[in-house]
Amino acid sequence: AQTVTQSQPEMSVQEAETVTLSCTYDTSESDYYLFWYKQPPSRQMILVIRQEAYKQQNATENRFSVNFQKAAKSFSLKISDSQLGDAAMYFCAYRPEITSGSARQLTFGSGTQLTVLP
Amino acid sequence: DGGITQSPKYLFRKEGQNVTLSCEQNLNHDAMYWYRQDPGQGLRLIYYSQIVNDFQKGDIAEGYSVSREKKESFPLTVTSAQKNPTAFYLCASKGRFNEKLFFGSGTQLSVL
Repeated sequence: AQTVTQSQPEMSVQEAETVTLSCTYDTSESDYYLFWYKQPPSRQMILVIRQEAYKQQNATENRFSVNFQKAAKSFSLKISDSQLGDAAMYFCAYRPEITSGSARQLTFGSGTQLTVLP
Repeated sequence: DGGITQSPKYLFRKEGQNVTLSCEQNLNHDAMYWYRQDPGQGLRLIYYSQIVNDFQKGDIAEGYSVSREKKESFPLTVTSAQKNPTAFYLCASKGRFNEKLFFGSGTQLSVL
């Protein structure tokens, strides 16, 4: 079974600084997707960034980028120029590539609560 | 605007009572999902459905039931068999050719 581990329950960063959130996963699959979701106090889940395992290039979305290390099964999220609005719970998630059978859903980590200090 | 609507936002259940959480989407998505979120934890899958009139158990289906009579709707019933129902419940949907999961705004269920 796939598992996703986020070893940092809480992190803090100074406004305008850079922070990196860690995520590791365990899978025997070779093709899969990885995601970072953000959950602000409103509790709405918002997709931040996604990475296809077959792509060697790390995904980037404006101030958000990932460091994807497939061999190490590591998928960290880097937030640059942190803003107060980045304060939220961040979840790492994994989904295998669907080839047949059931449309298996995401497996989530336990989350990292990010505080942005003014 | 297209999206997923969950209702109610807050729900209270009395002991021994069944309650139903609503989830409606107008995104024309085939797949729909129900997740449970407990404080300090990630999301755990309760049930999912790939197509109308079909659904599958997730990791924590005991004490819950669902139906998928219409493509747009995927209601979740929390039965009296679920002994610890207090949690935040999130509904989500996904299109066939898009990896992005769209989430509703959630329902907080509490026990009186």
